[in-house]
Amino acid sequence: KAGVTQTPRYLIKTRGQQVTLSCSPISGHRSVSWYQQTPGQGLQFLFEYFSETQRNKGNFPGRFSGRQFSNSRSEMNVSTLELGDSALYLCASSSLPTSGGAVYNEQFFGPGTRLTVL
Amino acid sequence: TQLLEQSPQFLSIQEGENLTVYCNSSSVFSSLQWYRQEPGEGPVLLVTVVTGGEVKKLKRLTFQFGDARKDSSLHITAAQPGDTGLYLCAGRENAGNNRKLIWGLGTSLAVNP
Repeated sequence: KAGVTQTPRYLIKTRGQQVTLSCSPISGHRSVSWYQQTPGQGLQFLFEYFSETQRNKGNFPGRFSGRQFSNSRSEMNVSTLELGDSALYLCASSSLPTSGGAVYNEQFFGPGTRLTVL
Repeated sequence: TQLLEQSPQFLSIQEGENLTVYCNSSSVFSSLQWYRQEPGEGPVLLVTVVTGGEVKKLKRLTFQFGDARKDSSLHITAAQPGDTGLYLCAGRENAGNNRKLIWGLGTSLAVNP
């Protein structure tokens, strides 16, 4: 079956703009998590959505937001972009929530969207 | 805040050599995962270890979870160029209602032919 797809793969924006990234999970998966990856900070958890509800949220400012649609596709939005938002944004899907009671649920990652803020 | 430290940060070796990379924390994790990430791709799960002292083997890769569930190691025997990539460990928080994954910064491995 098809893997996790993310669009666009590359994006260049300028400070102050906003951006919307899209993630289509593996068919049948209802959990979508978003991560920011930078060389200095590694993978940092942004948020997880399960069945259209935000299940968990990391320590990012309110400029970072997301949503999930009834078909499990998810979008994340970053408003008022800053230079420090330049990163690889990864989306991961799972059949069950990846935070909470379950000890381990395998996440399948997409290839990411490389965002550059100038 | 739980942290995971990975060492070494960078490793460049010749094909056929053995290597070990480490993932350490002062906190206890309920489980720990190892991932490999290749350039232009997302991380791919290699293994999940759950029990203290557990050892799992995946072909030439051997994973060990520390007895106290605070650390883990990944040993690669006879490394091959195809093993090149960023190796990430991620530990599941041991308590709380929303037990998130805590990620290390990774070990970047280059295996030269």
